[in-house]
Amino acid sequence: DAMVIQNPRYQVTQFGKPVTLSCSQTLNHNVMYWYQQKSSQAPKLLFHYYDKDFNNEADTPDNFQSRRPNTSFCFLDIRSPGLGDAAMYLCATSRGQGVGKAFFGQGTRLTVV
Amino acid sequence: QKEVEQNSGPLSVPEGAIASLNCTYSDRGSQSFFWYRQYSGKSPELIMSIYSNGDKEEDGRFTAQLNKASQYVSLLIRDSQPSDSATYLCAVTTDRGSTLGRLYFGRGTQLTVWP
Repeated sequence: DAMVIQNPRYQVTQFGKPVTLSCSQTLNHNVMYWYQQKSSQAPKLLFHYYDKDFNNEADTPDNFQSRRPNTSFCFLDIRSPGLGDAAMYLCATSRGQGVGKAFFGQGTRLTVV
Repeated sequence: QKEVEQNSGPLSVPEGAIASLNCTYSDRGSQSFFWYRQYSGKSPELIMSIYSNGDKEEDGRFTAQLNKASQYVSLLIRDSQPSDSATYLCAVTTDRGSTLGRLYFGRGTQLTVWP
């Protein structure tokens, strides 16, 4: 019954080696979000897609990019991970306008070595 | 990012007591407000929604309240249980203009319910 699925759950990558995190949803929601959450901090919005419209937060580093090839899938690409990018990455979806409830995947814990 | 402020706590209450958590937001245009519960190492789980038009959802022991004039949202947990011990995140969103679809979170309040 999983509705928002993130893969992998745990990812270890080398400093500077590109890495891609994936998210899929079975809810047919318009909006997909990527958040970065570090220990004891608020989830920080990196991007969101409203249907095909990509919305970047002003303070999201250029090192982070995203793709949404179709309604169901969304990817987070980190081009050159640094030690400071180690965090939990959360994908969420919502129906969008009028109903903003967001449902989260289980997250991907990224470690940079 | 739009400011959503929460007292990070920790808030500690005895079992059976009422726990009250608060959140303030800076964007007066915010329209929808949510409370999420997050256990350590897990992803946030939606527990409560409340909207600027007055609609809200209540779930048993959980109640949300909105004060638009003062721009704060509260969550009340009645008959608190040790299993309620978690971090509670407040989130706000607007459904118009340049912020369409954006959902912003506070850093959360850590709640401990002791037996």
